[in-house]
Amino acid sequence: DAGITQSPRHKVTETGTPVTLRCHQTENHRYMYWYRQDPGHGLRLIHYSYGVKDTDKGEVSDGYSVSRSKTEDFLLTLESATSSQTSVYFCAIGRSRSEQYFGPGTRLTVT
Amino acid sequence: GIQVEQSPPDLILQEGANSTLRCNFSDSVNNLQWFHQNPWGQLINLFYIPSGTKQNGRLSATTVATERYSLLYISSSQTTDSGVYFCAVEGGETSGSRLTFGEGTQLTVNP
Repeated sequence: DAGITQSPRHKVTETGTPVTLRCHQTENHRYMYWYRQDPGHGLRLIHYSYGVKDTDKGEVSDGYSVSRSKTEDFLLTLESATSSQTSVYFCAIGRSRSEQYFGPGTRLTVT
Repeated sequence: GIQVEQSPPDLILQEGANSTLRCNFSDSVNNLQWFHQNPWGQLINLFYIPSGTKQNGRLSATTVATERYSLLYISSSQTTDSGVYFCAVEGGETSGSRLTFGEGTQLTVNP
């Protein structure tokens, strides 16, 4: 299994609070991705990174920001959480664009 | 953007049966991957297959890029094959380094 962890694994937070999810890899892979998974929508890309400090938006980036200051860490921040951001969040990594390996996921509930 | 349709949405099999899952996509692709999400939520990369045929044990996949579809074959199914199978594609000139996922096929293998 690819060395990829996510923290926290579960979080409950209140509307309007900031939330940061962390993805950590030990594989030294160049590419890192954040997805959200919701019933009826499959997985949708939020943001991705193609190197340290190099990031770009995915299809559902509104309300989310990311940072990658080190190869091994990719942070996803919800500046002011809303109930529509209740979801399961997956991080993925890859050496190239042709492969992605997923972390265990973070279940976020915004009340 | 590129559209991905998977069929059937649900499939129930008896252990030992064979099955074929289909993925149709709306544009040319330079990246196509199949994933399995087990009942515990873990996502596993099965194949990177933008064209041609690959086999891995009881699983094989074929992509006919010119006709814009891919097939995932599962032979002699086992209960551990249960879960959701996702097809994901990256296509054209505008998608960048990002995958678009289909909504998946929910497979249940009964003993």
